[in-house]
Amino acid sequence: QLQESGPGLVRPSETLSLTCTASGDSFRNSRYYGAWIRQPPGKGLQWIGSISYGGGTAYTPSLRGRVAISIDTSKNQISLKLSSVSAADTAVYFCAREEGISDQRIDSWGQGILVAVSS
Amino acid sequence: SSELTQDPAVSVALGQTVKITCPGDSPSGYYASWYQQKPGQAPKLVIYGDNKRPSGIPDRFSGSTSGKTASLTISGAQAEDEADYYCNWRGRTLDYMIFGAGTRLTVL
Repeated sequence: QLQESGPGLVRPSETLSLTCTASGDSFRNSRYYGAWIRQPPGKGLQWIGSISYGGGTAYTPSLRGRVAISIDTSKNQISLKLSSVSAADTAVYFCAREEGISDQRIDSWGQGILVAVSS
Repeated sequence: SSELTQDPAVSVALGQTVKITCPGDSPSGYYASWYQQKPGQAPKLVIYGDNKRPSGIPDRFSGSTSGKTASLTISGAQAEDEADYYCNWRGRTLDYMIFGAGTRLTVL
């Protein structure tokens, strides 16, 4: 089980911050990656980035420079920070767990959290 | 590209077979998977690897990959299969992931 938390409203130009807390051993197990994926209203899924148990990261090119994902294995959490947000960043943000050893896939998703960017 | 092309909408008669395709732009050695999303819900994994289904996914769902194109086939579509379907290509390491634009499946 994955649960996203954070503010549902962020002002333009500010930083969006979300946390995902897992039950079980998801982010304490080195076979899994944590990931953030977003979905603007009425649109498709967009991968934001992923992080390994050891803290290695990868980000989608269009957000590189504004995004940072971190992991806290002691708390079984991953976090997302997206800076300088605009209305285009309004979306449902999903936390996810990826199988990272074989047959890579996203095998668990949070319910998602809607974040609106508005003044 | 930020997403891969999929047919935006596909329809199938109840009980018939439908195939949804997803051309990829990644080199070989990448993994394709498919996700089903119903309104207001998180996506759910339906196919991964070499045509593998997670526990609980009916065997009418199958997948295949030929070169850089992944396909999802639903054999004997049911009303509950009506949903958006997204393909996903994932590299062996952290470095690359991309989703398809999604296909809305209507079961007539």
